[in-house]
Amino acid sequence: SQQGEEDPQALSIQEGENATMNCSYKTSINNLQWYRQNSGRGLVHLILIRSNEREKHSGRLRVTLDTSKKSSSLLITASRAADTASYFCATARYGQNFVFGPGTRLSVLP
Amino acid sequence: DTEVTQTPKHLVMGMTNKKSLKCEQHMGHRAMYWYKQKAKKPPELMFVYSYEKLSINESVPSRFSPECPNSSLLNLHLHALQPEDSALYLCASSQPGLPQYNEQFFGPGTRLTVL
Repeated sequence: SQQGEEDPQALSIQEGENATMNCSYKTSINNLQWYRQNSGRGLVHLILIRSNEREKHSGRLRVTLDTSKKSSSLLITASRAADTASYFCATARYGQNFVFGPGTRLSVLP
Repeated sequence: DTEVTQTPKHLVMGMTNKKSLKCEQHMGHRAMYWYKQKAKKPPELMFVYSYEKLSINESVPSRFSPECPNSSLLNLHLHALQPEDSALYLCASSQPGLPQYNEQFFGPGTRLTVL
């Protein structure tokens, strides 16, 4: 299966702390994307990182990609209550399915 | 306008009913998607339309019938559904190309309950 696997499944932190979520996948990929989903709503695209990139930043988000370990991490710095959501990585390889991982449910406590 | 709209927000239907879900975007995107999402699970890709033509069908049962009447609209026709089809149905759009290459913009979803 191409599916990414997020780790941890659930994470609770205090406001102001950093949150790190990991995604592992099984075969080589073209790109890896991270999405956020607030409870019961549509997904919001966060970052796309290409297979030849190692790190990308967007505001308080930092994504790394280690193709040798087939893993990616999403770091949210200085978390806020509004960051409470589920976070999914999504991957695909050319000719294969585009698949979301099972997700990490992040709770940021005020 | 960077919004994808979906109607209705909620739908309850019996197993013998025929209903349709609608999705609309005005971002000029030429790729549109349907996903199914069960509670506490990730979205699962169902269909992809590229330039109004069906390009990916992830072995979805024929009781789900997609339609893309023009570049802004995407429908999902539902007929003879089963209770296990109850889920959140998400529509998305993007620039054309395979989904892994493009940022997708998602609608808020239609919460479907099949009785």
